[in-house]
Amino acid sequence: DVKVTQSSRYLVKRTGEKVFLECVQDMDHENMFWYRQDPGLGLRLIYFSYDVKMKEKGDIPEGYSVSREKKERFSLILESASTNQTSMYLCASRPPGQGWSGELFFGEGSRLTVL
Amino acid sequence: QQQVKQSPQSLIVQKGGIPIINCAYENTAFDYFPWYQQFPGKGPALLIAIRPDVSEKKEGRFTISFNKSAKQFSLHIMDSQPGDSATYFCAASMQAAGNKLTFGGGTRVLVKP
Repeated sequence: DVKVTQSSRYLVKRTGEKVFLECVQDMDHENMFWYRQDPGLGLRLIYFSYDVKMKEKGDIPEGYSVSREKKERFSLILESASTNQTSMYLCASRPPGQGWSGELFFGEGSRLTVL
Repeated sequence: QQQVKQSPQSLIVQKGGIPIINCAYENTAFDYFPWYQQFPGKGPALLIAIRPDVSEKKEGRFTISFNKSAKQFSLHIMDSQPGDSATYFCAASMQAAGNKLTFGGGTRVLVKP
């Protein structure tokens, strides 16, 4: 069974703190993604990675960075959390290659509140 | 600037009704249009998808209608059930951009018993 695990379901942090959101997938997928979900705005892509050590900016990368040291793990980092980063963060993975069905496999999300 | 616009933001129907969710896109290079379903406390999951060379696709009670000339597509939930209550997202991607998905804003559907 497909599994994307986000280590923290709920986090409360203070402005200026460094925040790590961890994501692990057990499907040997090469591609991994971080989205944030906000009401009315849908899911917006923050960063993605096509392979280990590779990363690409998505649509809203400002204030975020990522790390992909191992194929199964993709971390999202908020260097200095701000209140406008309060959101639901979703990690996803997908298999690469031609004939890809379009299916992203999502984790259950990490709800971050920055005070 | 949202490249995929989704409406309405929320929808309430009685059991057996047909909720309809509409999406419009700008970029004619999009070549794949999936819909995702998200239940509370869960991540989104792929529901159904269509390519622009097809005008309609059905999977069970879920139907996508696609109008390429109008750059619009919609999701119909036939004979809706309370278990269909969820948030639905349309999305679009293009192979030329690495198949990255661009999502609409989401529609919260409530099916009353």
